[in-house]
Amino acid sequence: SQTIHQWPATLVQPVGSPLSLECTVEGTSNPNLYWYRQAAGRGLQLLFYSVGIGQISSEVPQNLSASRPQDRQFILSSKKLLLSDSGFYLCAWSVQGKSYEQYFGPGTRLTVT
Amino acid sequence: QQQVKQSPQSLIVQKGGISIINCAYENTAFDYFPWYQQFPGKGPALLIAIRPDVSEKKEGRFTISFNKSAKQFSLHIMDSQPGDSATYFCAASLSGGYQKVTFGTGTKLQVIP
Repeated sequence: SQTIHQWPATLVQPVGSPLSLECTVEGTSNPNLYWYRQAAGRGLQLLFYSVGIGQISSEVPQNLSASRPQDRQFILSSKKLLLSDSGFYLCAWSVQGKSYEQYFGPGTRLTVT
Repeated sequence: QQQVKQSPQSLIVQKGGISIINCAYENTAFDYFPWYQQFPGKGPALLIAIRPDVSEKKEGRFTISFNKSAKQFSLHIMDSQPGDSATYFCAASLSGGYQKVTFGTGTKLQVIP
C-alpha cells in the first residue's frame, strides 16, 4: 500500500530564516506530487505541483519554491520566511493521469515568529 | 467559473441525527466530485466521490447526492456520531490528464452527544 510522509510535523522559525519541508511517498512510482497550504480555519491553496523529476509548476507567486530531486521526494523551500508564510503545509500525491484523486500527508504546522 | 461554493461554514448536529453539507459549482465540465474529511491537526482524507452520471452514491453512513441540472451536490451523514466531528471539504475536478482540483472552503462539523 502507498504511504506518504512529511517532516517535520511542527516547526517554529523566525522571520527571515530559511525553510525546508520534505515529503516522500512509498509504494508507488512516478506519482504526481503537490504542495498545499492551509491557513487556520481556511481552505486548501495549491502552491506547487509536479508531474515528474525536476518538473515543477507554480500556482501562486510567492517567496516559496519547490523541488523534486527524486521520483518520490518533494521539497518545499524558502530562502527567507515571512510572517504570512505561517500555516499548515500539506503534501499530496496522485497516480499519473488521476490528479482528481489526491491523497494527503499528515502535514507540517509552520509558525513564523 | 472554477469556484466551488460550500455551505454551511459550520454545523452542529446531535448524535444520531443527519448532517447535510451542500456544495455548488459553476464549471459544467467538472466530472469528478470528491469529499474529503479532515480531523484537527491531520491531513484531509478522501472520503467518497461521485461522477455526474449517477445521482447518488452511498458508502456506509455517507451518501453523496448529485443534481447535475442544478450544479449542486451534497454530503449526507446518517446517524451522525461524535467521531464524525471533523472538517469536510467538497471538491470538483476534470478527470483528463493533469487537472487542478478545486476545493470548497470547508464545513466544520461538530456532533454532540
